[in-house]
Amino acid sequence: RKEVEQDPGPFNVPEGATVAFNCTYSNSASQSFFWYRQDCRKEPKLLMSVYSSGNEDGRFTAQLNRASQYISLLIRDSKLSDSATYLCVVNPTGRRALTFGSGTRLQVQP
Amino acid sequence: GAGVSQSPSNKVTEKGKDVELRCDPISGHTALYWYRQSLGQGLEFLIYFQGNSAPDKSGLPSDRFSAERTGGSVSTLTIQRTQQEDSAVYLCASSLSSRQNYGYTFGSGTRLTVV
Repeated sequence: RKEVEQDPGPFNVPEGATVAFNCTYSNSASQSFFWYRQDCRKEPKLLMSVYSSGNEDGRFTAQLNRASQYISLLIRDSKLSDSATYLCVVNPTGRRALTFGSGTRLQVQP
Repeated sequence: GAGVSQSPSNKVTEKGKDVELRCDPISGHTALYWYRQSLGQGLEFLIYFQGNSAPDKSGLPSDRFSAERTGGSVSTLTIQRTQQEDSAVYLCASSLSSRQNYGYTFGSGTRLTVV
């Protein structure tokens, strides 16, 4: 089983739609969680950290469910510029390096 | 510098040759990480530096791969006797600390093609 699992997609949604991604992680003692965004042939960029209480940054909302070991990302009012691959990222306890999921591809269509 | 700088941005090499990839992290960032990403795949962890030491090199795929970091700054990843399966984008990232709640800043990567 992979340490971080994501649905690869693609998710094809129209502009203005709300879309949600989930990911699951295997190490129950993981302490830090992030969502990164990666555009085609570019490096990953930090989108937001994920906190236990849930957190929001503009149109983006991230939530963590420790009991079920899953993390979610909700994007409201999708823009064409949101088209990218979204990477779920976890820091498993005992390691100092982040573990990246394989990503979920989002394509927002006009 | 303002961001993480990697060089070269592209490298084509013949099978069996050695290559060196360079990473210059953000000034003041003590933690440095190397990952690689094959076409259409996720990021694969290679090695992590805290200062000049490498507490975790568990991701290096074989003894053909080595890395060093000097002066707590620039890092070099060396691949000896390259093979075609080494073809990938090699990404370097740095963070202010290895503490778990810091995210990373990535460089734009070195695209390695072994022919």
